[in-house]
Amino acid sequence: GDSVTQMEGPVTLSEEAFLTINCTYTATGYPSLFWYVQYPGEGLQLLLKATKADDKGSNKGFEATYRKETTSFHLEKGSVQVSDSAVYFCALSYGFGNEKLTFGTGTRLTIIP
Amino acid sequence: NAGVTQTPKFRILKIGQSMTLQCAQDMNHNYMYWYRQDPGMGLKLIYYSVGAGITDKGEVPNGYNVSRSTTEDFPLRLELAAPSQTSVYFCASRAGPQVVLEKLFFGSGTQLSVL
Repeated sequence: GDSVTQMEGPVTLSEEAFLTINCTYTATGYPSLFWYVQYPGEGLQLLLKATKADDKGSNKGFEATYRKETTSFHLEKGSVQVSDSAVYFCALSYGFGNEKLTFGTGTRLTIIP
Repeated sequence: NAGVTQTPKFRILKIGQSMTLQCAQDMNHNYMYWYRQDPGMGLKLIYYSVGAGITDKGEVPNGYNVSRSTTEDFPLRLELAAPSQTSVYFCASRAGPQVVLEKLFFGSGTQLSVL
């Protein structure tokens, strides 16, 4: 079945450091890919998405590119801030008629000043 | 705009007790979902609903029941609580249906411990 694998956490970085959180997937078809973020005490929020190969999703300085050849959707940010401290989830889903969203285990990110 | 509201935020149950986790959304969304998140694991889909009166099982439905009598509410029922149901529960919704799955709106979660 479909699955999403994220890099193990927790990840601790200094402010203004470069961030990469790895995500790879296994899928039988051609899913859409998502990054969700969960800030402390809150529910998950969509951060960015990409719906087909070579698409780049971006939001709030974060980027991720849908790489079909490597089945990856790595999350990157050039200069992290303390406010980026959160848990990040990679996820995949198919379109209409398949309502399931498959999540990775989440990566906890802590940014220190 | 409240979005997706879950109650309670925390609950401790004894083995064999029953309870209902409440979920309400005020966005007139058709699709609603219940997920559980175990420590160190991703979210697993328990049940979902595509509209009032329509529900379907997800990956891990055993030990749970749902109902959807209105568009706004999607309660999750635990009949005989077991320690394996200790988890954080998230409710989510989206407008649906769309060709490409649009974003889900999540509640802030209910942390449940069964002792």
